[in-house]
Amino acid sequence: SQTIHQWPATLVQPVGSPLSLECTVEGTSNPNLYWYRQAAGRGLQLLFYSVGIGQISSEVPQNLSASRPQDRQFILSSKKLLLSDSGFYLCAWRRLELGTQYFGPGTRLLVL
Amino acid sequence: QKEVEQNSGPLSVPEGAIASLNCTYSDRVSQSFFWYRQYSGKSPELIMSIYSNGDKEDGRFTAQLNKASQYVSLLIRDSQPSDSATYLCAADFGNEKLTFGTGTRLTIIP
Repeated sequence: SQTIHQWPATLVQPVGSPLSLECTVEGTSNPNLYWYRQAAGRGLQLLFYSVGIGQISSEVPQNLSASRPQDRQFILSSKKLLLSDSGFYLCAWRRLELGTQYFGPGTRLLVL
Repeated sequence: QKEVEQNSGPLSVPEGAIASLNCTYSDRVSQSFFWYRQYSGKSPELIMSIYSNGDKEDGRFTAQLNKASQYVSLLIRDSQPSDSATYLCAADFGNEKLTFGTGTRLTIIP
C-alpha cells in the first residue's frame, strides 16, 4: 500500500529564517506530487506540482520554491520566511490511472 | 478560468437526517470528481470519487453526478456527529492537477 510522509509535523520559525519541508511517498513510482498551503479557516491553495524528477510547475509567485530530487521526494523551501507564510502545508500524491489524490498529514508552520 | 464552487455553509443537520452537499463546476470537459472530508486540524481524506453520470453509493455516502447540469453532490444518510467536518469538492480538468472548491462546513446536531 502507498503511504505519504511529511515532516516536521509542526514548526515555529522567526521571520527571515529559511525553511525546508520534506515529503516522501512509499509504495508507488513516478507519482505526480503537489504542495498546497491552507491558511486558517480557508481553502486549499496549490503552490507547486511536479510530474517527474526535476520538473516543477509553480502556481503562485512567492518567496517559496520546490524541488524534486528523487522520484518520491518533494521538498518545499524558502530562503527568508514572511509572516504571511504561516499556514498548514500539505503534500499530496496522485494516482494517475484513476486521478485520485491523497494527502499527507501536513506540517503546521507558524512564522513569528 | 476553470472553477469549482461550493456553498461555504455552515450547514447544520440533525443527527440521523440526510446531509446534502452540492458543488458546481465550470468546464464541461471534466470527467472525474472527488469528495474529500477534512476534520479540523487534519489533512483532507478522500471519501468518494465519481466518473460517470448517475449515482455512486458507498455505505452511508452517495455521490451524484450530472454532467449536463455541471453539478456533483454528496449525500450523507443517517448523519452522525462524527460526520461534522468540512467537505471539499474537487474536479479534474485534465491539466495535471485537481481544482478544489473552498469547502462546505457541515455540523451534525445531536
